[in-house]
Amino acid sequence: SQKIEQNSEALNIQEGKTATLTCNYTNYSPAYLQWYRQDPGRGPVFLLLIRENEKEKRKERLKVTFDTTLKQSLFHITASQPADSATYLCALDIYSGTYKYIFGTGTRLKVLA
Amino acid sequence: DTGVSQNPRHKITKRGQNVTFRCDPISEHNRLYWYRQTLGQGPEFLTYFQNEAQLEKSRLLSDRFSAERPKGSFSTLEIQRTEQGDSAMYLCASSPPRPSLDSPLHFGNGTRLTVT
Repeated sequence: SQKIEQNSEALNIQEGKTATLTCNYTNYSPAYLQWYRQDPGRGPVFLLLIRENEKEKRKERLKVTFDTTLKQSLFHITASQPADSATYLCALDIYSGTYKYIFGTGTRLKVLA
Repeated sequence: DTGVSQNPRHKITKRGQNVTFRCDPISEHNRLYWYRQTLGQGPEFLTYFQNEAQLEKSRLLSDRFSAERPKGSFSTLEIQRTEQGDSAMYLCASSPPRPSLDSPLHFGNGTRLTVT
């Protein structure tokens, strides 16, 4: 069956360091992979989208890589700040009758001042 | 762009009661999704509309759940005879008409359902 795995345990890092979050998937061949940020009690907010033919995408302090051979995406936040503390979700497009996105379980990031 | 609006934000109901949630997507978005999220988990797909047509419904969704999108604008999600296991955050998302899925989902802030 289809499966998306993210670090289930919370990630604590010191302010100023780079946070690296992992998204692994099996039994998919997604064309697109997205990363979202979710704060408690709020809906997810879109951060970045990367296509299967793109190895890397950057936006300000964010960087996403997409390795279709390893079936893995890495999400990096450089020069992390306490305001970056949130849950980060990866999502992949799949086709099962229609196209839709399915989400991983999310990784909770805490940046310590 | 006023964003995706969901109402109510919170709903507490007794087991066995029916509840209905509303989602108003971004006006020019023709795709609308419902997801359910429980604590510590990612959003779980429930159903998908393109305009007014409901194109897919998750096999995980029991017959007690029904969704509509009359006229391709707002959508409602109804749960009949609620059970405690239905307690969750119900999220609505919309996205613009594109030939592929390379556009982000715009989420509302959800309706938190508690079944007592």
